[in-house]
Amino acid sequence: TQLLEQSPQFLSIQEGENLTVYCNSSSVFSSLQWYRQEPGEGPVLLVTVVTGGEVKKLKRLTFQFGDARKDSSLHITAAQPGDTGLYLCAGQDGGSQGNLIFGKGTKLSVKP
Amino acid sequence: EPEVTQTPSHQVTQMGQEVILRCVPISNHLYFYWYRQILGQKVEFLVSFYNNEISEKSEIFDDQFSVERPDGSNFTLKIRSTKLEDSAMYFCASSEQGVANVLTFGAGSRLTVL
Repeated sequence: TQLLEQSPQFLSIQEGENLTVYCNSSSVFSSLQWYRQEPGEGPVLLVTVVTGGEVKKLKRLTFQFGDARKDSSLHITAAQPGDTGLYLCAGQDGGSQGNLIFGKGTKLSVKP
Repeated sequence: EPEVTQTPSHQVTQMGQEVILRCVPISNHLYFYWYRQILGQKVEFLVSFYNNEISEKSEIFDDQFSVERPDGSNFTLKIRSTKLEDSAMYFCASSEQGVANVLTFGAGSRLTVL
């Protein structure tokens, strides 16, 4: 059974601080996606990483896929209150049709 | 921006009843999915659907569940003889492609089984 472990589970920081969220597995994934989920809404895709070692930037967010395609990280620079939310990583097995394996998520709170 | 629409947003039902959750995927998408999220737990894959048939399903998706695309726009999830443990948020998603695709999720339907 493929599992994705996210850490930390909860993170509370002050505005302006930097943070990193981790997503780890013992399994290899063909791609890994990061989502953000607001209360009462569905997950919204932030980024997809496909190649081992790949780094993608989305404004203040930097996403990295591990060389072995088993882990990923999300780094936020100078966090803002608007970044508050639940961040989910989800891995995809190359043989599956949209069967995403989700992590439990990291609940981020950025205080002004 | 195109979106996936789900109805109802919240349904309360008695144990043993049948429920149908409805989804309108994005119009040019070809792949459709149902996921569920029990309160406080992970989002879990239930089923994927392509070309009018199930392409993949999880262990959760047993005979109690069925999916259908009754017309050109709707995609439904039927849950027969609901149990207390079926209480969850059910998310529909759609995508243009299969592998390494971009899934667009709906806002979810909250099912409460009493």
